[in-house]
Amino acid sequence: QVQLQESGPGLVKPSETLSLTCTVSGGSISGYQWSWIRQPPGKGLEWIGYINDFGSPDYNPSLKSRVTISVDTSKNQFSLNLRSATAADTAIYYCARIYRAGGFGRTFDSWGQGALVTVSS
Amino acid sequence: DIQMTQSPSSLSASVGDRVTITCRASQSISTLLNWYQQRPGRAPKLLIYAVSNLQSGVPSRFSGSGSGTDFTLTISSLQYEDFATYYCQQSYLSLTFGQGTRLQIK
Repeated sequence: QVQLQESGPGLVKPSETLSLTCTVSGGSISGYQWSWIRQPPGKGLEWIGYINDFGSPDYNPSLKSRVTISVDTSKNQFSLNLRSATAADTAIYYCARIYRAGGFGRTFDSWGQGALVTVSS
Repeated sequence: DIQMTQSPSSLSASVGDRVTITCRASQSISTLLNWYQQRPGRAPKLLIYAVSNLQSGVPSRFSGSGSGTDFTLTISSLQYEDFATYYCQQSYLSLTFGQGTRLQIK
């Protein structure tokens, strides 16, 4: 069974770049799309973006100007960079696998445990 | 953007109750609607995909229905482990979640 694990700094200063990596184990990163989702403390879920194993990304329009998601198939990892971070970016960041079956759309079928990132000086 | 609106935002119920949560899309999303359960301090877990298909391992007391803009998640007989927050998610155009429905013990 595939497992995902987020890693990266838990504290980021305002205006700096928030960077996280998701390591995929128990399965190949190839053949799937991989996504980042965040959840501010006590609030709901917000999709950030996804990337496929060919490196083609798609982003939430509300974050598109600040987000880059990349993939390293040799390490079975994908990463998130969120530029110009502010306190509003404080959240638990989840990485997730997207499963696409014909006609069923995109489904987040496996999730990491989440990583809390606080943006504060 | 497609907005997803869940109702109610919170709900109190007892073990054994039948519960229904509604999710409404701001435009038709065909059947591209999924449901997730999130227990406190845990990552969300996929329950149902494409409106009514139970993810492997999910108990049969969970069911989903709907199409177009209106969808429901039903739990036929609540168990203690079902008290959690539930989210709908569409994938018809981009990806968006509902705001969540918190199911609490009465």
